[in-house]
Amino acid sequence: AQKITQTQPGMFVQEKEAVTLDCTYDTSDPSYGLFWYKQPSSGEMIFLIYQGSYDQQNATEGRYSLNFQKARKSANLVISASQLGDSAMYFCAMREGWQAGTALIFGKGTTLSVSS
Amino acid sequence: DTEVTQTPKHLVMGMTNKKSLKCEQHMGHRAMYWYKQKAKKPPELMFVYSYEKLSINESVPSRFSPECPNSSLLNLHLHALQPEDSALYLCASSQESQGGADTQYFGPGTRLTVL
Repeated sequence: AQKITQTQPGMFVQEKEAVTLDCTYDTSDPSYGLFWYKQPSSGEMIFLIYQGSYDQQNATEGRYSLNFQKARKSANLVISASQLGDSAMYFCAMREGWQAGTALIFGKGTTLSVSS
Repeated sequence: DTEVTQTPKHLVMGMTNKKSLKCEQHMGHRAMYWYKQKAKKPPELMFVYSYEKLSINESVPSRFSPECPNSSLLNLHLHALQPEDSALYLCASSQESQGGADTQYFGPGTRLTVL
């Protein structure tokens, strides 16, 4: 079974609109972290936002917020006021356990296209 | 500063060549990672170094040989590669913290083409 599922291969949004990118996860470990990365066509993976399994509040970083619903095992990324520069591939990732140096498990990604 | 640098940005090599990819970070991170990424796919973990020691090798073929000369540097030595090894090679580093985020920060990658 996939540990990270991103069901939207592609999403289209107009500038200044908000968009939600879906991510569901599967783990039996009570300690885990969830991450979102942005990858423009240039290739660099840019860290956007992090949510820990014990965090009580949803994470926010500027225009990015993470809608964390623990019981549903979902960690959707919300981008408010989309910009043309937001066009990129977005990956949801999970780190299981609190052991240091643990690998990230990535979803298949969602391509976001922002139009003017 | 969350910068990880990688050189070269692009590399074209023949199947008989020997080349190396280089990764550097100056954030004091103690864990460093190599990932391989094919087009339109998520990154796949290859190796993890923790405190300059190899801690994870994801059954990578021996034609890829990692090296961590010190805590800031990570190399990937390439020899006798196959065309299917053509990909984007990403380096990342993290603080190696036991709890919480231990966020991995990535470099810009090296686009490798094997002819």
